[in-house]
Order: sequence, then C-alpha cells, then structure tokens
Amino acid sequence: DAKTTQPNSMESNEEEPVHLPCNHSTISGTDYIHWYRQLPSQGPEYVIHGLTSNVNNRMASLAIAEDRKSSTLILHRATLRDAAVYYCILNPAGNQFYFGTGTSLTVIP
Amino acid sequence: DAGVIQSPRHEVTEMGQEVTLRCKPISGHDYLFWYRQTMMRGLELLIYFNNNVPIDDSGMPEDRFSAKMPNASFSTLKIQPSEPRDSAVYFCASSPTRPGVEQFFGPGTRLTVL
Repeated sequence: DAKTTQPNSMESNEEEPVHLPCNHSTISGTDYIHWYRQLPSQGPEYVIHGLTSNVNNRMASLAIAEDRKSSTLILHRATLRDAAVYYCILNPAGNQFYFGTGTSLTVIP
Repeated sequence: DAGVIQSPRHEVTEMGQEVTLRCKPISGHDYLFWYRQTMMRGLELLIYFNNNVPIDDSGMPEDRFSAKMPNASFSTLKIQPSEPRDSAVYFCASSPTRPGVEQFFGPGTRLTVL
C-alpha cells in the first residue's frame, strides 16, 4: 500500500486559514487522494478527495501538486470544531483505505 | 438515513470470554469494512466485504478473530477467546460500489478486556 507522510501535529489560530500538508511520493496514476478527519471520541469522517485537479467543497479545499507527489488540505477559516486528527490516505482504484498516523490539529482561540 | 449503526457502544469483558460486535451498514452500500484503533497502532483495516463476501482478511490479527456478513444489512466481528491486548475501539464503515468514494464510519465500539 502506498505511503503518506504528514506532520504529527500543527497549530492554528481560530478564524485563520490552515494548510495541512501530505507527501505521497510513491503515488500511482490510479490512486485517489482522500482526506478524513477524526474528532475526539468519534469515528473518522470524510472531508474531501481528488485525483488530479484541485477540489473544493463546503468543508475544505484540496490542492494537488502537478506531479501528484504531494497535496495540501486547506481549511479556509479554522474553528474550534475543526480540532481533530486529519488523515491523508491514498486509495487505489478499489475501496481499501490504509490510515497513517495523521496530523493532530490544535485550534487556538 | 441513520448512518452506520454499531452495537454495543461499550463492552467490558473478562479475558477468555467471547465477544461479538455488530454492525448495520447504510442501506444500498455494497462494501463493509471493519477497523480497529489503538494508541499504539492507530487505525488498522481488519477485513472488508463486498456484496457480503469477504474480500481481504489479511488484517485480521489471528485466528481468534472472525467476521461474517450473513446479509446485506448485518455484519459481526467475533473474538473468541478475548485477551487484554484486544482492548481497542472497533469501527465499522460502509461505502457504495464505485472506487474512490467516501467511506461512512459508525460511532465505534469501545472494547475493554480485563
């Protein structure tokens, strides 16, 4: 399974943008890039996913490098409710997800 | 839709006892996944089913673990006999057929084996 590398932790001030990086240098052409987050004491929840082009939804934006070896999850205005562990996952053209250790995001009021 | 339903939410048992965790996936989803989460190992995929058939059980830790999906709306994960190192949060997730789509996770079952 393809590997991803994320910083263990990040901090952000409330109402400021947050850029969460992910490196996936061994990505293959059919791997989708997924982001999930896990709030304390909850199951993971879907944030966003993409293949080649940048993606936007109501929760976040996903910026994918041109060579697809890295991506960045962008939260446009962090709120206290965004404090969670964020997982960057490569999903081959199938349905298995292999979660790494993720980035623990702390939002400072 | 109620989402993925798991029961029980909490389970405390003694070493050697049989434990059965239950999951009801979202209606219409063809894939069902069982994960385990611990502080030491993070989130691990144990097994997943497609149309009630086990596809990949390579993540099942040992023979004490077994999973079944007798129909499209129900799955079980059984541990027999249980050991303290099985203590973890067990998540069930489901997803539709197409690749590259999101998985929907249940709230998890927190298992404590004394």
